Amino acid sequence: GQSLEQPSEVTAVEGAIVQINCTYQTSGFYGLSWYQQHDGGAPTFLSYNALDGLEETGRFSSFLSRSDSYGYLLLQELQMKDSASYFCAVSATGRRALTFGSGTRLQVQP
Amino acid sequence: DTGVSQNPRHKITKRGQNVTFRCDPISEHNRLYWYRQTLGQGPEFLTYFQNEAQLEKSRLLSDRFSAERPKGSFSTLEIQRTEQGDSAMYLCASSFRDTLGYEQYFGPGTRLTVT
Repeated sequence: GQSLEQPSEVTAVEGAIVQINCTYQTSGFYGLSWYQQHDGGAPTFLSYNALDGLEETGRFSSFLSRSDSYGYLLLQELQMKDSASYFCAVSATGRRALTFGSGTRLQVQP
Repeated sequence: DTGVSQNPRHKITKRGQNVTFRCDPISEHNRLYWYRQTLGQGPEFLTYFQNEAQLEKSRLLSDRFSAERPKGSFSTLEIQRTEQGDSAMYLCASSFRDTLGYEQYFGPGTRLTVT
């Protein structure tokens, strides 16, 4: 089976740094993805980690520790437009489907 | 590249009716996925196609649900004898074979309301 846990809500101020954690229990774990979804919008791919360590893409970074079944998304220099829901999603060996967490709603305040 | 498109964007139907949704993926993507999303939850996987072959189906997909991708391009998802519990956003996504499916491009979704 597969299960993911992430905080339901996070609030931060513009210009700050925020970390959104994700823990997972997945048979045949292959990799961890992160998606962003604005209200009324479609999920949009942000990043992917298959190996331990940090992946950086502009203001966003994603980290994975396979031994701890844990990852996080780091958002730096927060902007108002970053207010959205963020989902972690796992890939499993032999499967193409993603299993998504229930999402973390990030609210960026001025 | 016009992105993934879905039609209709909204559908209101009465319980017991059949509905069909269409998804047009990004043209060079050979993989296509259907998900269902309810408020406050992440997308839940329903089914997956590689070209025209349906390779994976979720246990969530009851007998009332059927999906096709006849020529490996667009796909349809049909729900027969709709129930109020079917009310949700139905999302379609596509991906290119080299990304192992982790980078999926989602369409805007079809919001289904069953009254």
